[in-house]
Amino acid sequence: AQTVTQSQPEMSVQEAETVTLSCTYDTSESDYYLFWYKQPPSRQMILVIRQEAYKQQNATENRFSVNFQKAAKSFSLKISDSQLGDAAMYFCAEKQGAQKLVFGQGTRLTINP
Amino acid sequence: DAGVTQSPTHLIKTRGQHVTLRCSPISGHKSVSWYQQVLGQGPQFIFQYYEKEERGRGNFPDRFSARQFPNYSSELNVNALLLGDSALYLCASSSSPTGNTEAFFGQGTRLTVV
Repeated sequence: AQTVTQSQPEMSVQEAETVTLSCTYDTSESDYYLFWYKQPPSRQMILVIRQEAYKQQNATENRFSVNFQKAAKSFSLKISDSQLGDAAMYFCAEKQGAQKLVFGQGTRLTINP
Repeated sequence: DAGVTQSPTHLIKTRGQHVTLRCSPISGHKSVSWYQQVLGQGPQFIFQYYEKEERGRGNFPDRFSARQFPNYSSELNVNALLLGDSALYLCASSSSPTGNTEAFFGQGTRLTVV
């Protein structure tokens, strides 16, 4: 069964600094996709970044980047130049083909001004 | 373009009652998935529909059912509500259910069972 683990229930960072959120997953499949979603207090899940498992290059979206370690089944999210608007719950998720998204427990990120 | 819309936004029901939650996907999206998010946890997959057919079902009891209509909107039905069904119910739509296709989420329906 797919499992996704986020070991940091809460993280905090000073505005303008860099923070890394951790995620590990467990799958026996070779073809899968990984995602980071952000859920602000408005409750709407917003896609932050995605990574295809077959791609070795780490995905980057502006201030957001990932460190994808396939052998270690690790998929961390780095947020650079943190902004107050980055405060939210962050969820790591895995998807195999047309199957469901499997989410981790989430990490609550606080940005200190 | 309108995003994924869910109705109602909040709902309070009594144990044993029935509830219907509704979801309208983004125009052109044919895949709809439902997730249950209990407070303090990540979303759990309930159902996936594509082209009006069920494509996946999570580990939920038969009290949970869903359907997708010809216009690709969807309903989630829960019978014989239990206190444990209290949660945020999220609907997600995508153009197809495959691969890394982005899933767009609605703002959810907050269901409280008393």
